[in-house]
Amino acid sequence: EVQLVESGGGLVQPGGSLRLSCAASEFIFSNYAMTWVRQAPGKGLEWVSVISGSGGSTYYADSVKGRFTISRDNSKNTLYLQMSSLRAEDTAVYHCAKETMKAFDIWGQGTMVTVSS
Amino acid sequence: DIQMTQSPSTLSSSVGDRVTITCRASQSISAWLAWYQQKPGKAPNLLIYKASSLESGVPSRFSGSGSGTEFTLTISSLQPDDFATYYCQQYNSYPRTFGQGTKVEIK
Repeated sequence: EVQLVESGGGLVQPGGSLRLSCAASEFIFSNYAMTWVRQAPGKGLEWVSVISGSGGSTYYADSVKGRFTISRDNSKNTLYLQMSSLRAEDTAVYHCAKETMKAFDIWGQGTMVTVSS
Repeated sequence: DIQMTQSPSTLSSSVGDRVTITCRASQSISAWLAWYQQKPGKAPNLLIYKASSLESGVPSRFSGSGSGTEFTLTISSLQPDDFATYYCQQYNSYPRTFGQGTKVEIK
């Protein structure tokens, strides 16, 4: 079964850092762009970042540019999101998703990030 | 950035009703539009891609239409499992953007 499983969320103080991981299985990971989407409690979906299949191209939402870094290890079928200078407004469930011509066709269940003192 | 505006924000309907949700883009996105369904505590689930193509495994009561800047999602006969929040999303350009969501509630 095609699957994405996120991990690495937790409670972090404002200004702190956290690295999220997304493990992919049952598809050729390196063939696809991968994206992060977040959802603050009780709010809608917000696109965060995307990385191409090779890892050579990345894009970020303005709200995280300069603070978050997306990367991937195709040998480990794993996507990452390094988050630094975290703010209260970064509190959300973070989902990874596979991006194709069908938009985001596979999503992970998400990992919760809480930024609070 | 392309802004996506959904209407209505909330919709109260009964089982068996025909339901239509509208999504407008601030500039043309051709047919690069997707619709997702999300239930509480769950990840979004892709329903429609390329404006009108039904994702595999999605019931045929769901349909999408439109191009350019105006799009609709229609549920032909609302079923109990369809009470959820629906989002449109453009994937014509970066940053990808979502509508604010439409919550379909039981009347």
